[in-house]
Amino acid sequence: EVHLLESGGGLVQPGGSLRLSCAASGFTFGNYAMRWVRQAPGKGLEWVSGINDRGGNTYYADSVKGRFTISRDNSKNTVYLQMNTLRAEDTAVYYCVKRGSDGGVYMDVWGKGTTVTVSS
Amino acid sequence: QSALTQPRSVSGSPGQSVTISCTGTSSDVGGYNFVSWYQQHPGKAPRLMIFDVNKRPSGVPDRFSGSKSGNTASLTISGLQADDEADYYCCSYAGSSTYVFGTGTEVTVL
Repeated sequence: EVHLLESGGGLVQPGGSLRLSCAASGFTFGNYAMRWVRQAPGKGLEWVSGINDRGGNTYYADSVKGRFTISRDNSKNTVYLQMNTLRAEDTAVYYCVKRGSDGGVYMDVWGKGTTVTVSS
Repeated sequence: QSALTQPRSVSGSPGQSVTISCTGTSSDVGGYNFVSWYQQHPGKAPRLMIFDVNKRPSGVPDRFSGSKSGNTASLTISGLQADDEADYYCCSYAGSSTYVFGTGTEVTVL
């Protein structure tokens, strides 16, 4: 069974840093692009970042560009999101998401999410 | 990267049909046949319901269908059931490996 498990969320002060991890299982991790999507409390979904299958290409929403860095370790079946200079508006549940199984441009498997709270 | 526009809420009685619209621009919805729809029950992770405008993943009932015309995509739920009550989000590819989600629609089964 395909499974994504996020970790690393927590409470952090404004201006602080946090690194999220997402451990994948049940599929050939190195064959798929991965993404992070977030959802602020009571709000909608927002695409945050993406990385291609080998990790050579990364992409970011304007709202996090320059502050967040996505990376992956295919030997550990894990994707990361390094979040720096955190702001109150970064408070959200962060979901790790897998690209579509046929290489499609959609998100077919979602983790359960990890909660990030930015507050003093 | 402005969010796609969806109605805040739609409702219908069991057995009826409801349609949710998702309006973007020629840079996202209108420019690509890469619109997907996600269902989210309270406190749960989103679930893929439709991809590539009108394709259903295995396990999704054929009561769910998608379409697109110009800059507007639509999700139709036929034969509405109690378990369909959830939030629904559209998502479109927006070029350069970026994506934009819709504002979300709450579906209520009366």
